[in-house]
Amino acid sequence: QSALTQPRSVSGSPGQSVTISCSGTSSDVGRYIFVSWYQQHPGKAPKLMIYDVNKRPSGVPDRFSGSKSGNTASLTISGLQAEDEADYYCCSYAGRYGVFGGGTKVTVL
Amino acid sequence: EVQLVQSGAEVKKPGESLRISCKGSGYSFTSQWIGWVRQMPGKGLEWMGIIYPGDSDTRYSPSFQGQVTISADKSTNTAYLQWSSLKASDTAIYYCARTVDSGYVGFDPWGQGTLVTVSS
Repeated sequence: QSALTQPRSVSGSPGQSVTISCSGTSSDVGRYIFVSWYQQHPGKAPKLMIYDVNKRPSGVPDRFSGSKSGNTASLTISGLQAEDEADYYCCSYAGRYGVFGGGTKVTVL
Repeated sequence: EVQLVQSGAEVKKPGESLRISCKGSGYSFTSQWIGWVRQMPGKGLEWMGIIYPGDSDTRYSPSFQGQVTISADKSTNTAYLQWSSLKASDTAIYYCARTVDSGYVGFDPWGQGTLVTVSS
C-alpha cells in the first residue's frame, strides 16, 4: 500500500490559518470516515489532534479542525501560534489496516 | 490516567531475536485495540499492526506481515512486538498506542517509544 500524500512543508505567520492536505485514494480516504491527524514535536511521541475526520479529543484546542472531500482530507490550524510549529501526519483506514501520510512540517514565521 | 509504558532501548546484532513490550494501565486493557507504529531515523510514521487483547485478534499492514509478530498477555495488561531475526533496517523507534476509533487509526495515548538499534 502507498503512503498518503502530504505537502512536505507549509508555513504561516502567527495568527494566520494554514491548511494541510492529505491525498489518498478511493480505497482509503475516499471510502472511510476514519481519518486522523497527529502532531509531533522533535523528540516526542505523536499526539492525536483529530480523529474520525473532524472530531477533537478532549484538550485539543478548537483552532484545529479536520475535514474531508472525496479522496482528500485536510487539517486546518486557525490562529497559528508558535507552539504549533511541528510535524503533522494524517492517517487513514484502508480496510483491515491503516496507512500514514509522509508528514508535513509546519513552520511559524 | 490512561497510560502506556514501553520497555527500554535495545541494542542488538543482525540475526538476533527481540521482543519489546507495552504495558497498559488506567483503562480496560482487554476492551480496546492496541497498535504499533514505526518511525525510522529522521523519517515519518508507519502503521505496523494492531491487536485486540480480549481475543488476540490481530491485523497487520501488508508491509509488515510476516516481518514481525504482535501478541498480548491479558493477565499482565501487556502487548508485545517481536522479531525472530533482526535486520539493520529494523533500526527505529517503535511506539505502541491505544485506539479510540473504529477504524484503528485514532491512537491515543501513545507510549514513550522504544528505540531499537540493530548494528553489527
